[in-house]
Amino acid sequence: DAEITQSPRHKITETGRQVTLACHQTWNHNNMFWYRQDLGHGLRLIHYSYGVHDTNKGEVSDGYSVSRSNTEDLPLTLESAASSQTSVYFCASSPQGLSDTQYFGPGTRLTVL
Amino acid sequence: AQSVSQHNHHVILSEAASLELGCNYSYGGTVNLFWYVQYPGQHLQLLLKYFSGDPLVKGIKGFEAEFIKSKFSFNLRKPSVQWSDTAEYFCAANNAGNMLTFGGGTRLMVKP
Repeated sequence: DAEITQSPRHKITETGRQVTLACHQTWNHNNMFWYRQDLGHGLRLIHYSYGVHDTNKGEVSDGYSVSRSNTEDLPLTLESAASSQTSVYFCASSPQGLSDTQYFGPGTRLTVL
Repeated sequence: AQSVSQHNHHVILSEAASLELGCNYSYGGTVNLFWYVQYPGQHLQLLLKYFSGDPLVKGIKGFEAEFIKSKFSFNLRKPSVQWSDTAEYFCAANNAGNMLTFGGGTRLMVKP
């Protein structure tokens, strides 16, 4: 069955370190998204991609970057982790249009000490 | 800016009680609306969605939602909740060409 996976599921790191969170989908979806989930804020969009080599900034993109070298993967990099980036991160994908249903991964809980 | 509001942050119900979770959006024009659910320790799953047509939408697990355009609302309902409905519920919306915007979520606890 097609799915979307994230790794690691839990990560503890120190302030200032570079961290990369992986997202892999086997749906063959064009669109991929990264969100962070914080209490009281729901999910906020960090970056998104419409296809290979396409990336776009979302609502809360500062301190994060993504790259899309193939259809299946959209890794999220925290260039220099900050305590404010402690959060749960969700990756999602959708088939074609922006109105399509998004399918979510299991999430990565990141703690920055 | 486009926004989605969920006014109930925490809801506690007993089993068999009826549920209604509020959702309001600020978009004008054509809008697509979603309810997602996140069970403890799990990822978000789609409960139901509205794109067009019948404003009363049926979803999985006995949930339904009604789109009321005049009130900019898309409230989620279930006639009789179960303990297994304990979860966090997110309303989301977008219109053509725009990103999905999520509400802040409502945590539902159902007491057995």
